[in-house]
Amino acid sequence: QSALTQPPSVSGSPGQSITISCTGTSSDIGGNNFVSWYQQHPGKAPKLMIYDVSDRPSGVSNRFSGSKSANTASLTISGLRAEDEAQYYCSAYIHSTTLVFGGGTRVTVL
Amino acid sequence: QLQLHESGPGLVKPSETLSLTCTVSGVSIRSTNYYWAWIRQPPGKGLEWIASVYYSGSTYYNVSLMSRVSLFVDTSKNQMSLKLNSVTAADTAVYFCARQRRIAAQLFNWLDPWGQGSLVTVSS
Repeated sequence: QSALTQPPSVSGSPGQSITISCTGTSSDIGGNNFVSWYQQHPGKAPKLMIYDVSDRPSGVSNRFSGSKSANTASLTISGLRAEDEAQYYCSAYIHSTTLVFGGGTRVTVL
Repeated sequence: QLQLHESGPGLVKPSETLSLTCTVSGVSIRSTNYYWAWIRQPPGKGLEWIASVYYSGSTYYNVSLMSRVSLFVDTSKNQMSLKLNSVTAADTAVYFCARQRRIAAQLFNWLDPWGQGSLVTVSS
């Protein structure tokens, strides 16, 4: 199965909002709401930021929000901060009992 | 507090078997609400799901790896283990274990938390 498609990089200035897209197919993103997003700082383990398209785990800032339209999911970071600079990955469940990840997006805070 | 910790050799020779153990602390691996998963990340690259296992032993594999991968659960030790045979340099990666939300039989979802990862290098 192919990985989900993410832009390699997105950048923004402190305080701005940015959106990262994650494009799949009707077999994954378009087929269910089991889409999640992970933040990974260099040398660290990924951290769950969004699950079930738009839900936030306890402790995750409300500056992070998720949405989905058809076969594309999106992660929006509002009020961008220096500590948001990291790699972000989307993932989705495929009906063949498979989990697939996006290629990752590097967020840079200018 | 739930924690996961990967352990195993950091260096494996080509054609041999990679073996890693994930020790779960703070919660029983026998939870009916969760699977336990392995994910890997080659240096400088993205994440790849390897497989997921339920405490009963039911296992689901990435089709690209399933001919070489085996997962085991030891409920008495609250551990799960990964074996990947016939390794090549392409299997060099940081290997993570993580708890995975179980929605229903054969249906899984998000991963949280993750272990800190274990770097395995395949080299002679």
